Amino acid sequence: QVQLVESGGGLVKPGGSLRLSCAASGFTFSDYYMSWIRQAPGKGLEWVSYITSDSSSIYYADSVKGRFTISRGNAKNSLYLQMNSLRAEDTAVYYCARRATLDVWGQGTTVTVSS
Amino acid sequence: DIQLTQSPSFLSASVGDRVTVTCRASQGISSYLAWYQQKPGKAPKLLIYAASTLQSGVPSRFRGSGSGTEFTLTISSLQPEDFATYYCQQLNSYPRTFGQGTKVEIK
Repeated sequence: QVQLVESGGGLVKPGGSLRLSCAASGFTFSDYYMSWIRQAPGKGLEWVSYITSDSSSIYYADSVKGRFTISRGNAKNSLYLQMNSLRAEDTAVYYCARRATLDVWGQGTTVTVSS
Repeated sequence: DIQLTQSPSFLSASVGDRVTVTCRASQGISSYLAWYQQKPGKAPKLLIYAASTLQSGVPSRFRGSGSGTEFTLTISSLQPEDFATYYCQQLNSYPRTFGQGTKVEIK
């Protein structure tokens, strides 16, 4: 079945780095655009980043631009989010999702930025 | 950036009620709007895309309408499993903003 599984979350100090991964299965990963979305505790959804199928176009929310880098490995059916210079306000559940319309979501991975 | 404002932010309704949620965009987005449902502790689920197209497997009691700057999500007869938070998202331009959410609770 179509599935996305995120990993790599955890507790990190302000200013630290973390790399999230999203493993895709059940569909031809290289055919699809992919997105990252986050949700701070008790808050709404925030779109973070988007990458086209061939990585030719990439977009970021202003809140993460210059600090986060989205990438993908089509041979490994994987999506990544490299997060640097982390701040307390980056604390959230991070979801990967398929397509611009977000038709398939992972279960999320929790990132906590705290000293 | 395009801002999306949902109303109401919270509504209390009974099983069988007709429920309407509105999403207003700060500028025209044609029909580039999607609706998602999220239950506590779970990932969101796509309900409707292109403003009015029902995602496969979503019950027909969910209906989306609108274009330009005003959109609605209607649940024709609220079921127990529909109590959740609903979000709209615009796909017209980057960044892909979400509305603040509408929580539908049991009266």
